[in-house]
Amino acid sequence: EEQLVQSGGGLVQPGGSLRLSCAASGFIFTTYSLNWVRQAPGKGLEWVSYIRDTSTVWYADSVKGRFTISRDNAKNSLYLQMNSLRAEDTAVYYCARDSAYGFDIWGQGTMVTVSS
Amino acid sequence: QSALTQPASVSGSPGQSITISCTGTSNDIGKYDHVSWYQQHPGKAPKVMIYEVSKWPSGVSNRFSGSKSGNTASLTISGLQAEDEADYYCCSYVSNNWVFGGGTKLTVL
Repeated sequence: EEQLVQSGGGLVQPGGSLRLSCAASGFIFTTYSLNWVRQAPGKGLEWVSYIRDTSTVWYADSVKGRFTISRDNAKNSLYLQMNSLRAEDTAVYYCARDSAYGFDIWGQGTMVTVSS
Repeated sequence: QSALTQPASVSGSPGQSITISCTGTSNDIGKYDHVSWYQQHPGKAPKVMIYEVSKWPSGVSNRFSGSKSGNTASLTISGLQAEDEADYYCCSYVSNNWVFGGGTKLTVL
């Protein structure tokens, strides 16, 4: 079964850091681009970041300079390093596979709460 | 990176058809065919229903259809069923970014 399983998340103080992980299985990881998408409580989906390879990464303006997306193809894993966190970064974060069929596989989501 | 514009809510009775619009600009929907639609039930991860404006992923009912005209994309659901009640989001590629619509809550009366 093709799936993405997320870990990380939790409660962090403003200005703090957190790292999210997303482990892939059931498909050839290296052949796909991946994204992070977040959803603030009661709000809509917001695209956060994209990675194809180490030289092709994109970020939403709202996180540029604070978040870093990366992947470890040997571990079939995707990461999101989040620094200088703000209250407005509070959200459920999803990883999503980017294929010719849209964002076709999603992780289960992980909650990040930024609060003192 | 302004969000695409969707109506906040739509409703319909079982068996009816509804259409959800998604308005962007000439830089996103108007320029690219990388438009997709996602269904999200409460507490669940989104699910792709339409990709590349009008194509169905495997396993998605053909009651869902997509189209595009100019800067506006549309999702039509025919033969409404109770399980279609959910939030729906459009998404478009825009020059090294992706942008989502604000979401539309579909209520099946």
